[in-house]
Amino acid sequence: AQSVTQLDSQVPVFEEAPVELRCNYSSSVSVYLFWYVQYPNQGLQLLLKYLSGSTLVESINGFEAEFNKSQTSFHLRKPSVHISDTAEYFCAVTSAQGGSEKLVFGKGTKLTVNP
Amino acid sequence: NAGVTQTPKFRILKIGQSMTLQCAQDMNHNYMYWYRQDPGMGLKLIYYSVGAGITDKGEVPNGYNVSRSTTEDFPLRLELAAPSQTSVYFCASTRERQIPGEQYFGPGTRLTVT
Repeated sequence: AQSVTQLDSQVPVFEEAPVELRCNYSSSVSVYLFWYVQYPNQGLQLLLKYLSGSTLVESINGFEAEFNKSQTSFHLRKPSVHISDTAEYFCAVTSAQGGSEKLVFGKGTKLTVNP
Repeated sequence: NAGVTQTPKFRILKIGQSMTLQCAQDMNHNYMYWYRQDPGMGLKLIYYSVGAGITDKGEVPNGYNVSRSTTEDFPLRLELAAPSQTSVYFCASTRERQIPGEQYFGPGTRLTVT
């Protein structure tokens, strides 16, 4: 079984500041890792994913995450945030061995970008 | 494509009442999921289905039932509503062996049980 720990429940930052949202996972098998974003009053959307290959993955809107197997982490970073990045971010994991493709989600981190 | 649609958007139930949350997708996805989201708790899987006629329990199935008679529809049934079922419910879908973990979510149903 897999589990996910998001270390911060809320992260307030000022516009144009850098941000890091932390995620650690636990699994006895190899995994795929994901970050989902939820804007206010909406469903979740996939932001980026790590499946294999390069450990640094990027999204189209400037976020990046790095898979660190030794530290079992998949932290999300952005060098300069915008007001529009205000949302809740969920880290998720699934077994790389396939099957029902169930995701296990962390509890979420609310990112608030202030002017 | 409408993607994943959910109805209703909001609902208030009295304790003991029943209701069905509707979910439909038009992407020909064979995997579908129901989650509940509670503040500060993330998403918990209630039930999932890997195809028409096949359903299985997730992490928190008590108090809920599902059916999957078609590929498109995956309704969630609450038989005897309890205050603990106050939550936001999300339906999601994905295609097997497409992109692992890439689930498409509906807009959610906000349910209050009083």
